[in-house]
Amino acid sequence: NAGVTQTPKFRILKIGQSMTLQCAQDMNHNYMYWYRQDPGMGLKLIYYSVGAGITDKGEVPNGYNVSRSTTEDFPLRLELAAPSQTSVYFCASRHGRGNYGYTFGSGTRLTVV
Amino acid sequence: KNEVEQSPQNLTAQEGEFITINCSYSVGISALHWLQQHPGGGIVSLFMLSSGKKKHGRLIATINIQEKHSSLHITASHPRDSAVYICAVRSGYGGSQGNLIFGKGTKLSVKP
Repeated sequence: NAGVTQTPKFRILKIGQSMTLQCAQDMNHNYMYWYRQDPGMGLKLIYYSVGAGITDKGEVPNGYNVSRSTTEDFPLRLELAAPSQTSVYFCASRHGRGNYGYTFGSGTRLTVV
Repeated sequence: KNEVEQSPQNLTAQEGEFITINCSYSVGISALHWLQQHPGGGIVSLFMLSSGKKKHGRLIATINIQEKHSSLHITASHPRDSAVYICAVRSGYGGSQGNLIFGKGTKLSVKP
């Protein structure tokens, strides 16, 4: 049981490039989340999804896009990368609407230069 | 003012010491989570609390809903406990869909 798998673990992008951060879970969780973690700050929610075909913006969505075509996958797309998007990105999932625990991926460290 | 405040921000302890990390929050919550993040590593869920107290090995988490306060205790601390400990609360109301609000974390270093 792999849990939440994020790829890649590290990436360096040049300003203006685009990339997709991959997130997959094998626990049949309905809810999935993308967070970013900046030094000295708490994690901030970028986008979330409550099921296949349904996504919504979080606190800091600008510069990002997501899709949820299957229950398992929740990719995060960066268009026109900017230095402000240098961060560590975490994907997480949980089962449903009630008080269920969260499972986090191992993170993607992204640097935009 | 942040909705979730943790103290202390940094904590250095000697191996074997009893450690307490505090979390205060200002919003109504349905659950509080304690998470652990090792340097360069992923985030692991330690506890989810909505009332009372939970224990797992040397870790104990308590919550006082009336005072909007939670504590994470580590007994007989060990260098492998060195990590960042994160408090997060789930509002769970309305359109938030259970989104978490995170504290900034407490960086714990346990010296041998």
